[in-house]
Amino acid sequence: AQSVSQHNHHVILSEAASLELGCNYSYGGTVNLFWYVQYPGQHLQLLLKYFSGDPLVKGIKGFEAEFIKSKFSFNLRKPSVQWSDTAEYFCAVTSSGTYKYIFGTGTRLKVLA
Amino acid sequence: EAGVTQSPTHLIKTRGQQATLRCSPISGHTSVYWYQQALGLGLQFLLWYDEGEERNRGNFPPRFSGRQFPNYSSELNVNALELEDSALYLCASSLGWGQSGFQPQHFGDGTRLSIL
Repeated sequence: AQSVSQHNHHVILSEAASLELGCNYSYGGTVNLFWYVQYPGQHLQLLLKYFSGDPLVKGIKGFEAEFIKSKFSFNLRKPSVQWSDTAEYFCAVTSSGTYKYIFGTGTRLKVLA
Repeated sequence: EAGVTQSPTHLIKTRGQQATLRCSPISGHTSVYWYQQALGLGLQFLLWYDEGEERNRGNFPPRFSGRQFPNYSSELNVNALELEDSALYLCASSLGWGQSGFQPQHFGDGTRLSIL
């Protein structure tokens, strides 16, 4: 069955530290990949997406993610986090073969000022 | 533009009762998705409606059902409520599948369902 794994459940960083959140998926076909973010008190919103082309995609607020097909990974990165990046981050994968949107269990990021 | 709206915000029921949750998608969106977000389990895919048809459902029992209306709004019905159905139920909408496959989803604020 298709699945998405986010191995870091809780991450605590100081401001200006670099961030990398892991996302691995288990489907071998053509996939679309997403990162969503949920800031405290707000609804989930799209951070960035990968459909095809350049495997390094840039999103809002300085975030980027790299699709590595051979590793079934789509890790989220940010060179220097800010206190306002404190949120929960979800990786999601879709595929035309399964007609499902599969989300990971999320990573709670806390950035200390 | 108005976002995805869900009602009610909170719903309190007892075991065995039935619950109805409602969702209005963003104008122009024809796909609606329902998710269950229970503590520590992330978003579990429940149902996907596109152009009025159920396209897929997740691994949930048949007492979870729904429908999509001609105006693309949607209802989620949960029958014979159990304690473990307590969760946040999220609705999301997107452009339709027929336009270009899966598209980014826009989420509502959710309905918090509590079973006593």
